Amino acid sequence: EPEVTQTPSHQVTQMGQEVILRCVPISNHLYFYWYRQILGQKVEFLVSFYNNEISEKSEIFDDQFSVERPDGSNFTLKIRSTKLEDSAMYFCASSAFMVGSGEQYFGPGTRLTVT
Amino acid sequence: GESVGLHLPTLSVQEGDNSIINCAYSNSASDYFIWYKQESGKGPQFIIDIRSNMDKRQGQRVTVLLNKTVKHLSLQIAATQPGDSAVYFCAEKVLTGGGNKLTFGTGTQLKVEL
Repeated sequence: EPEVTQTPSHQVTQMGQEVILRCVPISNHLYFYWYRQILGQKVEFLVSFYNNEISEKSEIFDDQFSVERPDGSNFTLKIRSTKLEDSAMYFCASSAFMVGSGEQYFGPGTRLTVT
Repeated sequence: GESVGLHLPTLSVQEGDNSIINCAYSNSASDYFIWYKQESGKGPQFIIDIRSNMDKRQGQRVTVLLNKTVKHLSLQIAATQPGDSAVYFCAEKVLTGGGNKLTFGTGTQLKVEL
């Protein structure tokens, strides 16, 4: 069964450093998303991406964040200057459709620890 | 410093019993409601969804009920198994948002006792 993959599984970085989290969505999917989950809290939407453009973003997704689809298979989330409060689990998701509930398939996540 | 996590409500059931997990939602404009299961160390996994113009939908061993009058959603799991142990989240989606954004609830921890 096709699945979303994410690398690395765990990233430790120092405050102020840039990090890039990588995702390979399901191959025939057209819509891509990033969510985050701070330890013990709910999953929060960050951004959605379609046709090489951001479709929607949340208040969390400020100028420190950016997304890119550099080639036909990868989807990345960059945080330019990490803060302690960026420590969280980051989930990539993809969907084939936007109509209907547009079932989103989630990857296993990257745990980001900012020290 | 570290933020303090929310204390998740917990539902404990005996193996073989039926489970009912509840969710209150706030946005009456939501078009879809979706249940996700999250096992420890994994990403959320889609279980079942229901459109806002329906009040019941059944899947394999699961049923979702929607009561728009009181903004309440429930997930019923029949004959609960140890593999059902996980955190269950309800999520909402508004079709007009443009980005297919899911808004998740706080989650319920389901523990299945043997």
